[in-house]
Amino acid sequence: SQQGEEDPQALSIQEGENATMNCSYKTSINNLQWYRQNSGRGLVHLILIRSNEREKHSGRLRVTLDTSKKSSSLLITASRAADTASYFCATVDYNAGNNRKLIWGLGTSLAVNP
Amino acid sequence: EPEVTQTPSHQVTQMGQEVILRCVPISNHLYFYWYRQILGQKVEFLVSFYNNEISEKSEIFDDQFSVERPDGSNFTLKIRSTKLEDSAMYFCASSRDGRGTIYFGEGSWLTVV
Repeated sequence: SQQGEEDPQALSIQEGENATMNCSYKTSINNLQWYRQNSGRGLVHLILIRSNEREKHSGRLRVTLDTSKKSSSLLITASRAADTASYFCATVDYNAGNNRKLIWGLGTSLAVNP
Repeated sequence: EPEVTQTPSHQVTQMGQEVILRCVPISNHLYFYWYRQILGQKVEFLVSFYNNEISEKSEIFDDQFSVERPDGSNFTLKIRSTKLEDSAMYFCASSRDGRGTIYFGEGSWLTVV
């Protein structure tokens, strides 16, 4: 089964607009992390939200978590061309024994047009 | 800000050759990981390492793969006999306690020809 499915798969917006990306997951989690990846580059950690948190902010980023629906959203406000990247959610489930690995979705490809 | 560093950034190798990818995790971190991302596909977990031993490995991490922490700072991934399908971006990652943020390096592009 797949974990961390993001939607939409691709999103194109104008600079200054807000971008919302969603992520759904299947198993129980301890935390959910959002990452950004510029084309061909590394994975940059954006924000971590724990299972007992509902919302978290970091600068222009706002993440929500709804454990009853097994979903999370990432909102980027006042987007900039430099926000153009792929965004991934990844989940950690400690219940699987000693497992602390991240399980990834396919990501949302965001294009912010100047 | 401390970061995970990886070398080389890009390596081209002949099929059947051995490759070693190197990583320097963040210094006070205890959990280490290798992930890979084939072009256009999901990031996939390969292996996690804690307390000088593998704590978990995926189906991808077969006998051709091995990891080592030869000293207090380096964490290496060796592919013994590379195949074309090993071509991917390989990411090293580390975490202080396995419960919080997992930090990734910039990745090593491996191209097997």
